[in-house]
Amino acid sequence: SQQGEEDPQALSIQEGENATMNCSYKTSINNLQWYRQNSGRGLVHLILIRSNEREKHSGRLRVTLDTSKKSSSLLITASRAADTASYFCATDNSGGFKTIFGAGTRLFVKA
Amino acid sequence: DVKVTQSSRYLVKRTGEKVFLECVQDMDHENMFWYRQDPGLGLRLIYFSYDVKMKEKGDIPEGYSVSREKKERFSLILESASTNQTSMYLCASSFSYGGQAKNIQYFGAGTRLSVL
Repeated sequence: SQQGEEDPQALSIQEGENATMNCSYKTSINNLQWYRQNSGRGLVHLILIRSNEREKHSGRLRVTLDTSKKSSSLLITASRAADTASYFCATDNSGGFKTIFGAGTRLFVKA
Repeated sequence: DVKVTQSSRYLVKRTGEKVFLECVQDMDHENMFWYRQDPGLGLRLIYFSYDVKMKEKGDIPEGYSVSREKKERFSLILESASTNQTSMYLCASSFSYGGQAKNIQYFGAGTRLSVL
């Protein structure tokens, strides 16, 4: 079953612009994570936000969480060509054993 | 740095063959996971293990089995490979304790399996 669904499926922007990706989920969660995947590689954890947090920052990343709307957004500011990757949200509502990943947003940053 | 190593990056097998995918982690993690990734479907959990010799079915266990004889190693076995098992397979591991840390999964680079 798919818990997190990212929107848009694909995003193409110019270097220096901001990129915003959204994630919606269906059931209540303990936390929500964002991961990044470079083409043909494994996923890399970016940031985790707990259900009682509304916003979190890490470098050029800003994540928001709205539990009333069951949605989250990932903002990458001042994007670089090296940010080109797929980004996945992942939700956990069962003690960490069954983290559920969405289908991902493919981000392409043009130099 | 946590390292999760998958034995092969690319693998080509024939229908009906028995296939072993190996995964080793070096961070003494209790939990290990096998996912498959297909375009448009995201990651789907096949099996996970929270301790040596323990295993739990994920969302799509049919056609697969797993083995965890040592804490650092988690093997995925395709008993009789079929063409619909052509996919990218990702192994991951995580801690069982440590507050938020236990939710973070560390992934290997993936094995792209083609079954002909």
